[in-house]
Amino acid sequence: ILNVEQSPQSLHVQEGDSTNFTCSFPSSNFYALHWYRWETAKSPEALFVMTLNGDEKKKGRISATLNTKEGYSYLYIKGSQPEDSATYLCAPTTGTASKLTFGTGTRLQVTL
Amino acid sequence: DVKVTQSSRYLVKRTGEKVFLECVQDMDHENMFWYRQDPGLGLRLIYFSYDVKMKEKGDIPEGYSVSREKKERFSLILESASTNQTSMYLCASRKVGHEQFFGPGTRLTVL
Repeated sequence: ILNVEQSPQSLHVQEGDSTNFTCSFPSSNFYALHWYRWETAKSPEALFVMTLNGDEKKKGRISATLNTKEGYSYLYIKGSQPEDSATYLCAPTTGTASKLTFGTGTRLQVTL
Repeated sequence: DVKVTQSSRYLVKRTGEKVFLECVQDMDHENMFWYRQDPGLGLRLIYFSYDVKMKEKGDIPEGYSVSREKKERFSLILESASTNQTSMYLCASRKVGHEQFFGPGTRLTVL
């Protein structure tokens, strides 16, 4: 079982604040790193799939970076909005067909 | 619009009953997965399948079995349900090398 750590466990920010979370994973046998957003009462939805060291992906106000050599990824949210409130999960994988190992997530709450 | 569906949103069963949770995807994905989600423990993989009739144990397979007779359908079976199997069960599917799509979840309560 891969050891995947996410920090912080939870975060409470005000609307308009920018924030970031960390995902740490073993750097050996790395293939890809997935980020998902999981809103209450909904299913997890994919944000990014990243494979290359130094890769940076962006979707609207959300972006992510990847460091495969040291085994971490950052997720950034610029100008947080209440609709960003969700649990953000990361999951590394060691091969194209292999399973994802999910971290326990960072729970973000954005208030007005 | 891609879709993963699960047979029930809520299910209540009694201890010792045999329980079937069904998952169907319409995206022709090779890989399918069953997870359970418990507070503080995140998503834990029970079983996965990378092709028809193929299955592999995940991290917590004890007390569960699976069946994949057709590419689009992946069933999770609780042979004799126990109270510690009360949980939220999520099915997912994935095309090799791409992101995973999740079903809406089944909240199972075992009394």
